Amino acid sequence: DTGVSQNPRHKITKRGQNVTFRCDPISEHNRLYWYRQTLGQGPEFLTYFQNEAQLEKSRLLSDRFSAERPKGSFSTLEIQRTEQGDSAMYLCASSLYGYGYTFGSGTRLTVV
Amino acid sequence: QKEVEQDPGPLSVPEGAIVSLNCTYSNSAFQYFMWYRQYSRKGPELLMYTYSSGNKEDGRFTAQVDKSSKYISLFIRDSQPSDSATYLCAMSDQAGTALIFGKGTTLSVSS
Repeated sequence: DTGVSQNPRHKITKRGQNVTFRCDPISEHNRLYWYRQTLGQGPEFLTYFQNEAQLEKSRLLSDRFSAERPKGSFSTLEIQRTEQGDSAMYLCASSLYGYGYTFGSGTRLTVV
Repeated sequence: QKEVEQDPGPLSVPEGAIVSLNCTYSNSAFQYFMWYRQYSRKGPELLMYTYSSGNKEDGRFTAQVDKSSKYISLFIRDSQPSDSATYLCAMSDQAGTALIFGKGTTLSVSS
């Protein structure tokens, strides 16, 4: 068990491009969460899955954002038509029925 | 008013000091309370997990929850330079749902 793994660690993209991030949770964890964190702020919830079902989405998750968790294993977060305001750290976490949440190291996105 | 308020600091203390960190919240439905430590450019690391009111101790760390006052605290005894980090409080109303985080308090422990 190597914890929650996120790739890539860093991504620089031009405004208007699409980006996709991947999260591999701890293997026995059934819940997977996506958060966004900007400088000087705490993480903000985006969405979470139980197995392959997406159970909750924040209003922060605009139509340009989509998350998937096929087969209840890894998850992807895609941002279409990126904007400079999307620049942030995107964090993934997993848990077993909500007992504690283990976070990955995040993907730092810079939109130029 | 934000759901969770946390003084961002920074807080500077000498090695060996007792550190007190705290958060207030407005949603009386919150039942699950956590403290995370986050080093620069890393993900948050769970320190303490508490359900409902009461105290919980783990080594040098003690978490307290006072639901009547909507106030939670984290105490760090015998602080070390390695404790220098940002400390985030987080809470939720149901197990396993969205966590609401405070802004985080930046702590610096000098040797």
